[in-house]
Amino acid sequence: AQSVTQLGSHVSVSEGALVLLRCNYSSSVPPYLFWYVQYPNQGLQLLLKYTSAATLVKGINGFEAEFKKSETSFHLTKPSAHMSDAAEYFCAVSVNSGYSTLTFGKGTMLLVSP
Amino acid sequence: DAGVIQSPRHEVTEMGQEVTLRCKPISGHNSLFWYRQTMMRGLELLIYFNNNVPIDDSGMPEDRFSAKMPNASFSTLKIQPSEPRDSAVYFCASSSTGAGADTQYFGPGTRLTVL
Repeated sequence: AQSVTQLGSHVSVSEGALVLLRCNYSSSVPPYLFWYVQYPNQGLQLLLKYTSAATLVKGINGFEAEFKKSETSFHLTKPSAHMSDAAEYFCAVSVNSGYSTLTFGKGTMLLVSP
Repeated sequence: DAGVIQSPRHEVTEMGQEVTLRCKPISGHNSLFWYRQTMMRGLELLIYFNNNVPIDDSGMPEDRFSAKMPNASFSTLKIQPSEPRDSAVYFCASSSTGAGADTQYFGPGTRLTVL
């Protein structure tokens, strides 16, 4: 079975500062990894995903994440935070094993101050 | 393209009443997922359909919950009888094949409040 741990339920940054949201996974087989964003009162929207191609994955809104197998990590970064980035971010893992489902982390709320 | 459509967006009911949540997946997608989101437990997968057949319902909390997918364009999640602890946001998501690398597309959710 696979699992995801997101370090920090809340992360606060100033506008223009680096955003770093941490995600570590556990999987007995090669994983697929996803980052989703949820804005208030909305559903989840895919930011980016890793599917065993390039280890550095670029997503929407200037976000990117790097798959590091040795560290079992898939941290999400953005060089410069914008007020509109304030939302909850979820890391998720699945595997390529027949029918596969997503296992989500608990989420990290990103707060951006002016 | 229309995304995943859920109805109602909000539902307030009293304990003991039957609640039916509805979902229309993206056209052409053959996998459908129902999730529940609460502050305490986060996002939990309730049930997963592929080609209208339930594949994994191990997340359904108890017999009070049931889900159906009578055709490729419609699914329901029913709670009977409802209890206050069922209060949550229920999301429906769909993906094209259900494979591990597929993106799941989420609907806006139904916020359920059971009094």
